[in-house]
Amino acid sequence: DVKVTQSSRYLVKRTGEKVFLECVQDMDHENMFWYRQDPGLGLRLIYFSYDVKMKEKGDIPEGYSVSREKKERFSLILESASTNQTSMYLCASSLMGLGTNLDYEQYFGPGTRLTVT
Amino acid sequence: DQQVKQNSPSLSVQEGRISILNCDYTNSMFDYFLWYKKYPAEGPTFLISISSIKDKNEDGRFTVFLNKSAKHLSLHIVPSQPGDSAVYFCAAVAGGTSYGKLTFGQGTILTVHP
Repeated sequence: DVKVTQSSRYLVKRTGEKVFLECVQDMDHENMFWYRQDPGLGLRLIYFSYDVKMKEKGDIPEGYSVSREKKERFSLILESASTNQTSMYLCASSLMGLGTNLDYEQYFGPGTRLTVT
Repeated sequence: DQQVKQNSPSLSVQEGRISILNCDYTNSMFDYFLWYKKYPAEGPTFLISISSIKDKNEDGRFTVFLNKSAKHLSLHIVPSQPGDSAVYFCAAVAGGTSYGKLTFGQGTILTVHP
């Protein structure tokens, strides 16, 4: 059974703080993703990684960075948290690699509810 | 630019009846579609998917229909149960050109009344 875990379920941070959100998957998946979920906007992709040390910007990367030093771990960093980054953050992983013909299913963690005050 | 749209923010259905959730897309490169279900305080879980070479895929009470010419897909749940109450997201991917990057719709909140 695929398991994706996120370091915190709830976080409260102050404006200007540096925030680290950690995600770990145990299925040896190549791809990992960070999304944020906001009411009425669905899930929006922040960054994704298709291999260790490789990363690609998603649709809303501004104000965020990521790190993938090990295959199983993908970190999202808010360099200087702002109130408009208050959101639910979801991490996901998938087996899909470029050129393969597998299903595209992504497996999600439980999410981190971040509040920036 | 919202490439995947779920135009109904919410849907209310009686237990035992059919629930129909709709999704429209604009990118003709999308060739694989997925539905996810999300309960509060949990991550989304995969429900059912369909490739663009098919127009229907069925799994138990869940059926997804794809109309490529209209760029429209729908999820049918029959019969609906109170445990189906959740947020449903449709997602699309342009296979072969990405690393399985999904584009999600805004979500539809389904409420099934006993």
